[in-house]
Order: sequence, then C-alpha cells, then structure tokens
Amino acid sequence: DAGVIQSPRHEVTEMGQEVTLRCKPISGHNSLFWYRQTMMRGLELLIYFNNNVPIDDSGMPEDRFSAKMPNASFSTLKIQPSEPRDSAVYFCASRERERGDEQFFGPGTRLTVL
Amino acid sequence: GDSVTQMEGPVTLSEEAFLTINCTYTATGYPSLFWYVQYPGEGLQLLLKATKADDKGSNKGFEATYRKETTSFHLEKGSVQVSDSAVYFCALKANSGGYQKVTFGTGTKLQVIP
Repeated sequence: DAGVIQSPRHEVTEMGQEVTLRCKPISGHNSLFWYRQTMMRGLELLIYFNNNVPIDDSGMPEDRFSAKMPNASFSTLKIQPSEPRDSAVYFCASRERERGDEQFFGPGTRLTVL
Repeated sequence: GDSVTQMEGPVTLSEEAFLTINCTYTATGYPSLFWYVQYPGEGLQLLLKATKADDKGSNKGFEATYRKETTSFHLEKGSVQVSDSAVYFCALKANSGGYQKVTFGTGTKLQVIP
C-alpha cells in the first residue's frame, strides 16, 4: 500500500491567495484527520471525519479554513484567504475504523505564506 | 478535558546512553496510550501502544508501561543510537462526545550524538 498521500509537498503562496491541500487516505480506512504542526503550537487537530462525515471541527481556526471529504478516497483542506500565520506543516492521517488504534500519517504539506 | 503532558526537550544524549522521556496524562475512563515518533521531514508513525493498565508496549528496543496509579506512560530505551534522533509524541485515545478522540502531547525532541 502506498500509505497516505498528500499533495503538494511544498506550497509557497502570497498572502490573500487561496490554498488547497489534498489528501488520499489509505484504501479501506474510514477515519481521516487533518493536523497542523508549528514550532509554537505543536501538533493541533483541525478536523476529523468518520465515514466522510465531519465529526469534530472544533480545531478549525476560523472561517478562512474549510475541509471537505466528498468520498472515501479524497479530502481537501482549503484556506481562503491565506495569511502568513497559516504557515505550517499540515498533516493528513487515516485510521482503519473509528475504534482502531493506529493513525497513519502522510508526509505532510509544508505551507509558506509570504 | 483530556490532556497529555510531556517533558520538555530537547534531550541530548550520547550514543548507548539510557533514555527516559516522561509522559503523564489526564483522562476520564480508561484511555489507550501511545508513543509516536517523527523523524526529520516525515509524518508521525506509531512506535508502541498499551490499551489497559499494567500493559507494556515495546518496539525497536523502546518500551513503556501503562501506570494507572500514577497516570503515566514513560518511554524508555536502554541504549540509544544516533538513528533514534527524532521527535517523540505521547498520546492518548479516549471516548469524547461519543467518538474516540486522540490527544497528543507537545512532543520531545531527542538528539543522540556519536
């Protein structure tokens, strides 16, 4: 299995631009997570989907952030408009089932907003 | 709410030294406990886990024991190698609002020098 796939791996954009991050979970996994990692705040859970339905989005920082999971094999995290403080590494992770133990993380997308 | 507290890093050790990274938790009920490891430029990956009190998780020479009486899950390794240099995250999984929520600690950076 290819593992969790994220694209792009690196993104550099200017303040005010729209950014879309993409994630393909491991086939057969029905839970998906989006995290943000920064030096200041560490690893933060942004949103969690189970069976394509958002279960907990309390970590989404503000209305500029939105996430979708149109089907079991694809999810997006969108930032519009982007700001320099959004610069971080964004990770997607998937889990086999709601009560499963292990989360499998993707390689991350390093976002830089100038 | 649930929380995980890890010792602050960075931790710098010489090769073959003994490693302890402290982790304590606060949770209602009976959480599962995990250690994840993040190597430079990569996503997190599960290192070991324990699902009930007194269980010992072990992998790659690392081990941790679920201590309910002290609410701790300290990570240990008898002889570290340069290749163990990474960031280590303690985490717990517990029922929260009807779903299994994972809470990560802030991470502890380990640097092993030859």
